[in-house]
Parts: sequence; C-alpha cells; structure tokens
Amino acid sequence: ELKVEQNPLFLSMQEEKNYTIYCNYSTTSDRLYWYRQDPGKSLESLFVLLSNGAVKQEGRLMASLDTKARLSTLHITAAVHDLSATYFCAVAAWTGGGADGLTFGKGTHLIIQP
Amino acid sequence: ETGVTQTPRHLVMGMTNKKSLKCEQHLGHNAMYWYKQSAKKPLELMFVYNFKEQTENNSVPSRFSPECPNSSHLFLHLHTLQPEDSALYLCASSQDRGTSGTQETQYFGPGTRLLVL
Repeated sequence: ELKVEQNPLFLSMQEEKNYTIYCNYSTTSDRLYWYRQDPGKSLESLFVLLSNGAVKQEGRLMASLDTKARLSTLHITAAVHDLSATYFCAVAAWTGGGADGLTFGKGTHLIIQP
Repeated sequence: ETGVTQTPRHLVMGMTNKKSLKCEQHLGHNAMYWYKQSAKKPLELMFVYNFKEQTENNSVPSRFSPECPNSSHLFLHLHTLQPEDSALYLCASSQDRGTSGTQETQYFGPGTRLLVL
C-alpha cells in the first residue's frame, strides 16, 4: 500500500524567511505532484515531477524529487503572505492502466505572518 | 477557471435521500476521478475512469455509485448515506498515459460540499 507522509503538518513563519516542506513516500513511483489549496477552494496544481533529480521552480517555490530516497521537497524562498495556504504532495502508483489515482499526504498548513 | 465544473456546489441531504453529483470537464481529457476530502482524513481516491471504463474502485461502499457516460461527464450517485459521509467531494480529470506518454497533471473541480443529516 502506497503511503505518503508530509512534514511538517503545520508551519507558521515570518515573511522573508525560507523554509522547506518534506514529502516521503513508501513505494516506487514515477510521478510526484504538488498542489496548493486555499481555504474553501479546490486544489491548484503547482508542479509535476517525473524523474529522479527533477527540479522545478515557479516564483518563490521550488520543488525537487529524489526517487532513490523517495523524497520530494518544496522550498519556499523569502516567503510572502500570499503564499499562505495548505500544500499537498501526491504520488501516483503505477497500476498498469492508462490512468492512476493519486495518494495524497495530509497536507502542510502554511501561515505566513508579516 | 480550471476547466472542470461540478454541481451542485453545496448539498444537504437526509440519510434516506437519493442525490447525484455531476462533474464535467472541458479539457479534452479521457480520464476522470472522484476524491473525498474530509476533516479527519487525507484526500482519498474513490474511483478512476479511463475512456468511460472504471479502472479503479478504492474499496468504496456501495452507497456511492459512479457513472461515466462519456469522457467528459462523471456522476456520483448517492443513496442511504451516513453522517460520516459528509465531506468535500472533488472531481478531477487528466490525459491518460497512452495519449500523453506519461500521465500529466490531474485538474480538479471546485468540489461539492456535502452534509448528511
């Protein structure tokens, strides 16, 4: 059974600081996703990571993937208040079919304070 | 606008009612999904459809019955639900692996917030 663990689950940080969210998963996967969810809203796709060593950046967010360690990180640089949200990592397990459901972590609730 | 719409956005139903949730995707995808998000558990996959065929049922109770008449529409029929089924039900769509070479991002709809009394 595929398990996905995120930490921390809750993070309160100040603006302009840097921090990292970690995502560990239990079995081999070829795809890892990061999503953002604002309160009362749906999930917004941030990154798709498809191979070992993949790194993607968008603004103040950077995601990386180490498939050997089964670890992905989401790094926040010089945080701003607008980045306050819940961040989820999700992993797709290969089932042999054409479409695979995602297994999600519990999410990291991020609050960025002035 | 995510290209995935869901109706209704909010639903209150009694345990003896029958209702249906509707999802429509305008992205030309051929895979669709139902997920459940409740306060007590992480986002849970419920069902996967690929080219209208159900390919995954994640041990969901039979009081939830999915229907996928075509690649653009997905329904979740609800009957005799329990209060613990109250949650946000999210629909998502994506390209399938055969079309894209690798499965790309799943795009989520806004969800239906369900309250079972």
